Amino acid sequence: KAGVTQTPRYLIKTRGQQVTLSCSPISGHRSVSWYQQTPGQGLQFLFEYFSETQRNKGNFPGRFSGRQFSNSRSEMNVSTLELGDSALYLCASSLPGTGNTEAFFGQGTRLTVV
Amino acid sequence: KQEVTQIPAALSVPEGENLVLNCSFTDSAIYNLQWFRQDPGKGLTSLLLIQSSQREQTSGRLNASLDKSSGRSTLYIAASQPGDSATYLCAVRRGGGGNKLTFGTGTQLKVEL
Repeated sequence: KAGVTQTPRYLIKTRGQQVTLSCSPISGHRSVSWYQQTPGQGLQFLFEYFSETQRNKGNFPGRFSGRQFSNSRSEMNVSTLELGDSALYLCASSLPGTGNTEAFFGQGTRLTVV
Repeated sequence: KQEVTQIPAALSVPEGENLVLNCSFTDSAIYNLQWFRQDPGKGLTSLLLIQSSQREQTSGRLNASLDKSSGRSTLYIAASQPGDSATYLCAVRRGGGGNKLTFGTGTQLKVEL
């Protein structure tokens, strides 16, 4: 079955711009989580969406936002980009709730802010 | 606040060696623990998932154990191969709902010919 698909794979943006990243989860997975990975901070949780509702949120400023659509696809948006937002952004999909909640990750979007 | 530590940070071994990667976490109220590998510039590949009620899980040459009460997990790799070279990450999922993962800083493994 198809895995988690993230688009685009690479992005170069200028400081002050905004960017939207997309994630299509594995079919049947209704939970989508986003993570930021940087060499200095490692992997940090941004937020999780389930059934179009934000269920958990990490410690990131309000410039980072997301949403989920009825088909479980998710987007995250970063406004007023800063140099420090340069990172690999990873999306994970899981079955919701109890039981097997194994997380499957996409290949990521590499964002470079210049 | 959950903190996850992985030791060692880097490891270089000759091909064929058996090796152990360590993961420790500060809050034992976890739902499960997952091990991943990450190749440079790529996403994460799930290796093993251990539920909090389990002691170990095996997949091929990989065996992961979990001691929840002491806040430790180990990933055992048997007969290492150059293709095992990657960064290995452990992540814990807290109890109480949601799929938020807290990651360790990873162990960078190099298996040499």
